[in-house]
Amino acid sequence: EVQLLESGGGLVQPGGSLRVSCATSGFTFSGYAMSWVRQAPGKGLEWVSGISGSGGNAFYADSVRGRFTISRDNSKNTLHLLMNSLRVEDTAVYYCAKSLGDFAPLNFEYWGQGTRVSVSS
Amino acid sequence: QSVLTQPPSVSGAPGQRVTISCTGNRSNIGAGYDVHWYKQLPGTAPKVVIYGNNKRPSGVPDRFSVSKSGTSASLAITGLQAEDEADYYCQSYDSNLNGVLFGGGTRLTVL
Repeated sequence: EVQLLESGGGLVQPGGSLRVSCATSGFTFSGYAMSWVRQAPGKGLEWVSGISGSGGNAFYADSVRGRFTISRDNSKNTLHLLMNSLRVEDTAVYYCAKSLGDFAPLNFEYWGQGTRVSVSS
Repeated sequence: QSVLTQPPSVSGAPGQRVTISCTGNRSNIGAGYDVHWYKQLPGTAPKVVIYGNNKRPSGVPDRFSVSKSGTSASLAITGLQAEDEADYYCQSYDSNLNGVLFGGGTRLTVL
């Protein structure tokens, strides 16, 4: 059974940093692209970032490029998202999602339950 | 405002057929990228209901189907049931943005 379990969310001040993680099991982690998708309160889904199975290619939405860094540890089956220079508008539930393929995050087959990030002074 | 445009809401009576549209442009749907559809119940994570190639994950009934033409795609649900009431999102890829796009979401109400 595929499982994705996010952690690391919390309350942070504007300009601060936070790292969220996603522990996975039930599939060959290194064989699949992974992504972070967020949902602000009462809003729709927004893709944030994706990474290829090998970790050699990373993709970012314009809204977070230069501030967020996605990474993965294939030895620990874990996905990370380091968020710097956080803004109030980054407040959202952050979901980890697994793609069908190994390179680009073109679709989302499985989702975690999400971790809540709140940016406020 | 999302690059992929969905109607904010649709509704139908049990047993009826409803469609949800997703309109993009030549750099996403019109460029041939697949459009996938996700269902989200309140307070829960989204789940894929159907992929752009009309493939449904295990457990999703064949009442769900997709179509695509030009720069638009549609999700059709036949034999509407109360359990279908949820928010639905379309998703594709955009070559200009070099990234993934979601539609703004459509709230489906079963009357």
